[in-house]
Amino acid sequence: KAGVTQTPRYLIKTRGQQVTLSCSPISGHRSVSWYQQTPGQGLQFLFEYFSETQRNKGNFPGRFSGRQFSNSRSEMNVSTLELGDSALYLCASRYSSGANVLTFGAGSRLTVL
Amino acid sequence: SQKIEQNSEALNIQEGKTATLTCNYTNYSPAYLQWYRQDPGRGPVFLLLIRENEKEKRKERLKVTFDTTLKQSLFHITASQPADSATYLCALDMGNTGKLIFGQGTTLQVKP
Repeated sequence: KAGVTQTPRYLIKTRGQQVTLSCSPISGHRSVSWYQQTPGQGLQFLFEYFSETQRNKGNFPGRFSGRQFSNSRSEMNVSTLELGDSALYLCASRYSSGANVLTFGAGSRLTVL
Repeated sequence: SQKIEQNSEALNIQEGKTATLTCNYTNYSPAYLQWYRQDPGRGPVFLLLIRENEKEKRKERLKVTFDTTLKQSLFHITASQPADSATYLCALDMGNTGKLIFGQGTTLQVKP
């Protein structure tokens, strides 16, 4: 069974640009969550999508957005990039209801210059 | 808001010893508490989950305890090996929300 796949793995952008990250969940997983990981703040929840609907959102500005497609693949977008957006962006998928046991991808490392 | 704390300092132990990592939280108890392992440059990997009505859970050399009175979970690795060196994250899980609240993680270094 293929794991969670994230693309691209690494990218460099400049301030003011926008970026789109992609995530393919494990087959059969309908829930996709996104997290931001930085050395200072650790892992922080961005949002969760289930059946193409955003069900939960973390405390991030509106520059951070996402969507989910009918095949459960998800994308997140960050507009008007700031230096502080440099981070590892992790996507995770899960199958069942109840406990949130997540399977994470390897992440997309974003550097903003 | 819910807060979670892990030992911020690295934990260095000798191979064969038991590593014990601590996770403390404030406010209300979660439905579940989870532990993940993260290696450099990789995403976290799920290890164990314990429910609020469970005191202890074991899986091979791993043991997790959950004390809702103390608002604390302990994570033990017995007979530790250098391959156990990694960052270990605890996470509060309120159940069926897709959202986990993660601690900062504790880096474990097991020396041969």
